[in-house]
Amino acid sequence: QVQLQESGPGLVKPSQTLSLTCTVSGGSISSGGYYWSWIRQHPGKGLEWIGYIYYSGSTYYNPSLKSRVTISVDTSKNQFSLKLSSVTAADTAVYYCARVKVHSGWYDYWGQGTLVTVSS
Amino acid sequence: QTVVTQEPSFSVSPGGTVTLTCGLSSGSVSTSYYPSWYQQTPGQAPRTLIYSTNTRSSGVPDRFSGSILGNKAALTITGAQADDESDYYCVLYMGSGMVFGGGTKLTVL
Repeated sequence: QVQLQESGPGLVKPSQTLSLTCTVSGGSISSGGYYWSWIRQHPGKGLEWIGYIYYSGSTYYNPSLKSRVTISVDTSKNQFSLKLSSVTAADTAVYYCARVKVHSGWYDYWGQGTLVTVSS
Repeated sequence: QTVVTQEPSFSVSPGGTVTLTCGLSSGSVSTSYYPSWYQQTPGQAPRTLIYSTNTRSSGVPDRFSGSILGNKAALTITGAQADDESDYYCVLYMGSGMVFGGGTKLTVL
């Protein structure tokens, strides 16, 4: 059973960089066949795709966030990470990591989500 | 930018049938977009219901079904139950990315 767990600061100051890590257990990121994705949900709103990464390092980002987002992978730790720069209060959200099946593009496993608040 | 449309809200009576739809602001949804559907209750992570248009995820009851209706993807719930009251999201796979619909809040009453 694959499990994903987000970790990182719950509070980030405006203009700083939000950094989160997703630790994967029960499966190897290096095994291929999956993208490793970040999604966020603003309070009381819908889900928003941020981007995903393949174990090889290939990345795909939401065009609306692309200039501020970096997703990276550390296969030795079986983790992938999100960095979102120049944050504002509009980036306050629950951030989820999840696994996406390549070629058919569906989420089969999700992390529980972590709330990140942007505030001074 | 691609916009995926869903009904903001829907209501169904217990035991009734409801069909939620997932469209594109420009164009038609086809199986080529591999539409998938997710159920989310407050404070919880989404749960996968349907993928690749009409394949139920493991453990999902067969009263949930997916299809293409006209130019939209559709999620049909047959014999709605009280605990089906949730938010439902569709996702379209664009190859180089994914797009979430705005979600439908389903009320069972």
